[in-house]
Amino acid sequence: QSVLTQPPSASGTPGQRVTISCSGSSSNIGNNYVYWYQQLPGTAPKLLIYRNNQRPSGVPDRFSGSRSGTSASLAISGLRSEDETDYYCAAWDDSLSGVVFGGGTKLTVL
Amino acid sequence: EVQLVESGGGLVQPGRSLRLSCAASGFTLDDYAMHWVRQAPGKGLEWVSGISWNSYSIAYVDSVKGRFTISRDNAKSSLYLQMSGLRVEDTAFYYCVKGIRKYVDGEGDFDYWGQGTLVTVSS
Repeated sequence: QSVLTQPPSASGTPGQRVTISCSGSSSNIGNNYVYWYQQLPGTAPKLLIYRNNQRPSGVPDRFSGSRSGTSASLAISGLRSEDETDYYCAAWDDSLSGVVFGGGTKLTVL
Repeated sequence: EVQLVESGGGLVQPGRSLRLSCAASGFTLDDYAMHWVRQAPGKGLEWVSGISWNSYSIAYVDSVKGRFTISRDNAKSSLYLQMSGLRVEDTAFYYCVKGIRKYVDGEGDFDYWGQGTLVTVSS
């Protein structure tokens, strides 16, 4: 059972906008930055969003992040087939004194 | 180009020890915190441990406290994870991960990941 809660799956059609939620508590998302990672099959994760809503260079602006209270969301607009993969949220947890991840969301492009 | 190359994984019996190494290149190691993150086959990500740029601050996930020890040698551009008292549930790919900042606490900030080394704990 992960400290951060993500839906196990999400789906959308090409061109559509989809959102993936990440729910936590005051000890993690409510008080610390949220990070999002994308993991393509058989590869290491890649940083997608940092500090709630910032994109590293090279990440398309189709990807955006937001945080409100103890929840966060990753939005992907103009969905493409290559977006079909796993996404994870992460944050520091003050009570656990460590980094916690969501369980991951597998995105399917129909 | 940032490169992180893990080594030292393999098959080990429960209760035994193993030491993972990570060779870093393409950046100045002592400017950043470093971490180990693991992923059991087919499962999600789990942060294991982190160490600050100067080794003064170290943190572990509860499940490995007292069994795993993280360390670094900035002069050798290397990160290590000494694992003892290994359990079946420690079976996972272990990723060496570079932090964005110098410090461990406060953020789950990882910008570069190695390809991982597989640790299998089984009798």
